[in-house]
Amino acid sequence: EDQVTQSPEALRLQEGESSSLNCSYTVSGLRGLFWYRQDPGKGPEFLFTLYSAGEEKEKERLKATLTKKESFLHITAPKPEDSATYLCAVQLSGGSYIPTFGRGTSLIVHP
Amino acid sequence: DTEVTQTPKHLVMGMTNKKSLKCEQHMGHRAMYWYKQKAKKPPELMFVYSYEKLSINESVPSRFSPECPNSSLLNLHLHALQPEDSALYLCASSLSRVFEAFFGQGTRLTVV
Repeated sequence: EDQVTQSPEALRLQEGESSSLNCSYTVSGLRGLFWYRQDPGKGPEFLFTLYSAGEEKEKERLKATLTKKESFLHITAPKPEDSATYLCAVQLSGGSYIPTFGRGTSLIVHP
Repeated sequence: DTEVTQTPKHLVMGMTNKKSLKCEQHMGHRAMYWYKQKAKKPPELMFVYSYEKLSINESVPSRFSPECPNSSLLNLHLHALQPEDSALYLCASSLSRVFEAFFGQGTRLTVV
């Protein structure tokens, strides 16, 4: 059973059409939730860290929010250059620092 | 310098070869990671070094052997690999074990 589930698996948007990506987690004791962006054939790029429910972070057209069981990545008025795979990862509190990735959401923004 | 540098970018090796992947960072990060990524899949954790000591080994076959010579360098030694080991190998580092990680661009490995 996946501890981290991302939805949708793929998303196609028109330029300027705002939407949200979801990352839900089934574990308890969250140390941190992390969002990354990955372009094809490249390494992931760190975007945000969220630690506690109610926390929000923003960067340009992206805004990440966290509740007790899920995180949303809101994309406002996306541009074609926002096309990428967006990955979330969680780390649990306790002894293990193993970060667990979700399967990602592939976003395509059409001009 | 906010980069993680991986070499080589591409590697083709035979199943009897021995090769090494290298990773370098000069950000003063004390945690370094090796990940394996197959096409259209998320990165899979292989190893974590924390303060130059191996802290996590995700049951990776012994044909993969990590080494951390100092706080800036991380190597992955490869020996007798199988074709199914072909993948993008990613190195990452973070200041501490909190996973705000910087990733390198990866080494595209093909085993023939």
